[in-house]
Amino acid sequence: AQKVTQAQTEISVVEKEDVTLDCVYETRDTTYYLFWYKQPPSGELVFLIRRNSFDEQNEISGRYSWNFQKSTSSFNFTITASQVVDSAVYFCALSEANFGNEKLTFGTGTRLTIIP
Amino acid sequence: NAGVTQTPKFQVLKTGQSMTLQCAQDMNHEYMSWYRQDPGMGLRLIHYSVGAGITDQGEVPNGYNVSRSTTEDFPLRLLSAAPSQTSVYFCASSYMNPGLAGGQTQYFGPGTRLLVL
Repeated sequence: AQKVTQAQTEISVVEKEDVTLDCVYETRDTTYYLFWYKQPPSGELVFLIRRNSFDEQNEISGRYSWNFQKSTSSFNFTITASQVVDSAVYFCALSEANFGNEKLTFGTGTRLTIIP
Repeated sequence: NAGVTQTPKFQVLKTGQSMTLQCAQDMNHEYMSWYRQDPGMGLRLIHYSVGAGITDQGEVPNGYNVSRSTTEDFPLRLLSAAPSQTSVYFCASSYMNPGLAGGQTQYFGPGTRLLVL
C-alpha cells in the first residue's frame, strides 16, 4: 500500500528565511508520480509540481525548489527567501502507475506560517 | 475557461437529510474524482470516474453515491447525512492519456464545506 508522511505538522519562520518541507513516501511500484499542492488560507488546492519516478533531477522554479531522492524515498520542497504569501498548508501526494485510477494518496500536510 | 467548479460553497444539514454536491469541469477531462479533507488526515478519495457512465469506489465510499451521465458533471450524493460526514469536499479532474499509465496532474475545485448537525 502506498503511504505519504509529512512529519512536520507546523513550521513557523521569519520572512526571508529559507524553509524546507519534508515528504517521505512508501510504494511498491517502480513507476510512480509525486506531487506538491499548496492550500492557502482561502482553501483552494493549487498544483505546484509533478515528478515521475524516473526523473531524479532536482527542479527549481523561482524561489521554489524540489529535491527528489529515490534512495531515501523523499521528495522535499524548499522555499528560498520566504514571503508572507507563502503562508499556507502544503501537501505532498503520491500516485502509482495504475491506469484507470488516478488516485492520489496525500500526506497530512504541513502548515507553514511566515512571520513578517 | 472556468476549470473545476463546485456548488454550494457551504452547506448545513441536519442528520438524516440528503443532498447533492455539484461538480463540473469545462476542460474535457475524462477523469473526475471526489475527495474529503478532514483535520489531520489529508485528503481521502471517496469515488472516482474514468468517463461518462463509469464510476468506482475510492478509499472512503460509504454513505456516498455518484453518477457520471456526462463528461462535464460528476455530482456527489449524500443519501442520509451523518455528523461524521462533516468535512470539506473537493472535486478534481484530469486527463487520461492512453499512452501514459497514471500520474496525470489533477486540478481541484474550490471545495464545499459541509456541516452536519
